[in-house]
Amino acid sequence: AQSVTQPDIHITVSEGASLELRCNYSYGATPYLFWYVQSPGQGLQLLLKYFSGDTLVQGIKGFEAEFKRSQSSFNLRKPSVHWSDAAEYFCAVELMDSNYQLIWGAGTKLIIKP
Amino acid sequence: GAVVSQHPSWVICKSGTSVKIECRSLDFQATTMFWYRQFPKQSLMLMATSNEGSKATYEQGVEKDKFLINHASLTLSTLTVTSAHPEDSSFYICSARGPWVQETQYFGPGTRLLVL
Repeated sequence: AQSVTQPDIHITVSEGASLELRCNYSYGATPYLFWYVQSPGQGLQLLLKYFSGDTLVQGIKGFEAEFKRSQSSFNLRKPSVHWSDAAEYFCAVELMDSNYQLIWGAGTKLIIKP
Repeated sequence: GAVVSQHPSWVICKSGTSVKIECRSLDFQATTMFWYRQFPKQSLMLMATSNEGSKATYEQGVEKDKFLINHASLTLSTLTVTSAHPEDSSFYICSARGPWVQETQYFGPGTRLLVL
């Protein structure tokens, strides 16, 4: 069955430190992968997406993610976090054979230490 | 990126009344729209998928007679919570995507519903 796993429920990093949020997926076909960010009480904003081509994708706000097919992973990275990055981050895979539904990870809450 | 709006952003209603939430794609044609429900500190739960001009497809466990979805145009979908009860209180989020294979789902800002 298709699934997305975000193994870290919470991550705490110091402002200015680097960040990596993990995402693993299980999907039989070529995955279309997404990272979204949600601030408290808000909708979701797309950070970046992978459809094909270069496996290292750049997104907004200085984020990047790398698709590794051999590891079924799509980890999100940022070299230096800012206090404004504190939010909930969701990884998702799109099911092209099921009306383009997104399968969601449980989310990772990012906490920034001053 | 594309913009999706939701209205209202929050609503308080009495138990037994119906509430309508609108979701609009402002600058693109949304052939498919999705309605989600999100409980506190949890991920999104897909309620239903709607294609323009077709009946919505509901996820297992979602009552189609309680959560009425209409997707009458390429820019508007509505979710009506009928005979709302306190357990229907939640954060409802819509999203929309265009018709092509490599598309992005764009999300509305969400509607917080409180049923008293």
